[in-house]
Formats: sequence, C-alpha cells, structure tokens
Amino acid sequence: DAKTTQPNSMESNEEEPVHLPCNHSTISGTDYIHWYRQLPSQGPEYVIHGLTSNVNNRMASLAIAEDRKSSTLILHRATLRDAAVYYCIPNYGSSNTGKLIFGQGTTLQVKP
Amino acid sequence: NAGVTQTPKFQVLKTGQSMTLQCAQDMNHEYMSWYRQDPGMGLRLIHYSVGAGITDQGEVPNGYNVSRSTTEDFPLRLLSAAPSQTSVYFCASRTSGPSGDTQYFGPGTRLTVL
Repeated sequence: DAKTTQPNSMESNEEEPVHLPCNHSTISGTDYIHWYRQLPSQGPEYVIHGLTSNVNNRMASLAIAEDRKSSTLILHRATLRDAAVYYCIPNYGSSNTGKLIFGQGTTLQVKP
Repeated sequence: NAGVTQTPKFQVLKTGQSMTLQCAQDMNHEYMSWYRQDPGMGLRLIHYSVGAGITDQGEVPNGYNVSRSTTEDFPLRLLSAAPSQTSVYFCASRTSGPSGDTQYFGPGTRLTVL
C-alpha cells in the first residue's frame, strides 16, 4: 500500500530556516509530490509541488531526492504566520482525478 | 474571482435530519471534491467529481450523496444526519490540466449533529 510518513511535529525559531521531511518510498515515476498547509481554523492552501527537479516559489522550496523516495519542504525564514500543519501528498496514481489523500501532516510551531 | 465558496459556514442538526451543503466555484474547474476533517485529524475524501455528470466515491462516502449537474456547483447531501458526521467539511476544485495543478479549498462548513 502507498504510504507517506512525516514527523508529527516540529519546532522552529522565527527568522530561521525550517526543513520539513517526507518519506514516500512507494511513489511511482509519474506521481507528483504536493505540499499543502493548513493554518488554524482555515482550509488547506497550496504551498508547492514538483515531480523530479527541485522547485522554488515565493512561499517555499521543494527538494526532491534523486530516487524520489523522499522530499523536503524548505521554508527559508520562518515567520509566526508559518505556524500550521504541513501536508506532504504524493498523487499515488490519482493524477487524472484531482484526488488528494491527506495524512496526519506535520504540525510546525514557530517560536518568537 | 470569488474562488471556492461554501454555505452555510455553520450548521447544527438533530439526528435524522437531512441537509445539503453547498459548494460553488467560478474558476471553470472540472475537478471538484468534498473532504471532512474531524478534530485533530487530517482531511478525508468523501466524494469527488471529474466533470459535470460524473461523480465517484472517496475514502468515506457512506451517509453522503453528491451530484454534479453543472461545472460550477457540487452540493453534498447528508441523507440522515448522525452524530458521527459532526465535522468540518471542505470543498475543493482544480483544473484537469497536468497532475501538478493547484487545488483550491473553500473556507469550510462546521457541522454539529446533536
């Protein structure tokens, strides 16, 4: 069965970089890796996605291992507003349906 | 664009009552989904649709019905509400382009079943 594992929680200090890991050892070659986050009392919001190459956008960077069995979401300078639950979501063959299967995610705490 | 809108924001039902949660998007997205989120848990997929007239079941479909008569709307019906359906419900949509397309979520409906 497809399985994604993330740490339950992480802590960071404000203004410091944060590396959020994700293992997805059963991912196939065509499965994209998505990251979403959920701020308290809000719906999830898109952060970043990628397939094979490392990706950057205004919110974060995504580093994908060469074997694609793991990836790391990088927040370059954490702010208090980045405190949220971060979900790593590989497609696992659902690329033509729009389905996202959420796990428990990683709860990120940011300390001032 | 308003994005994905959901109504109502809050709802209290008695056991056995039925109701419809509304979801609409104005981005002309083909794909729409319904999720529920129980306290302290991740989101679970209830039903999804890949276009008007096409729906399918997700992880937890029991007790819910959906239909997709238009591209814009994707209502979720609770047939006979039970306390186990107390949850926050999120609707989402995305385009049918490459598999990496962004999915947009609505603000959620908080449902309590007494």
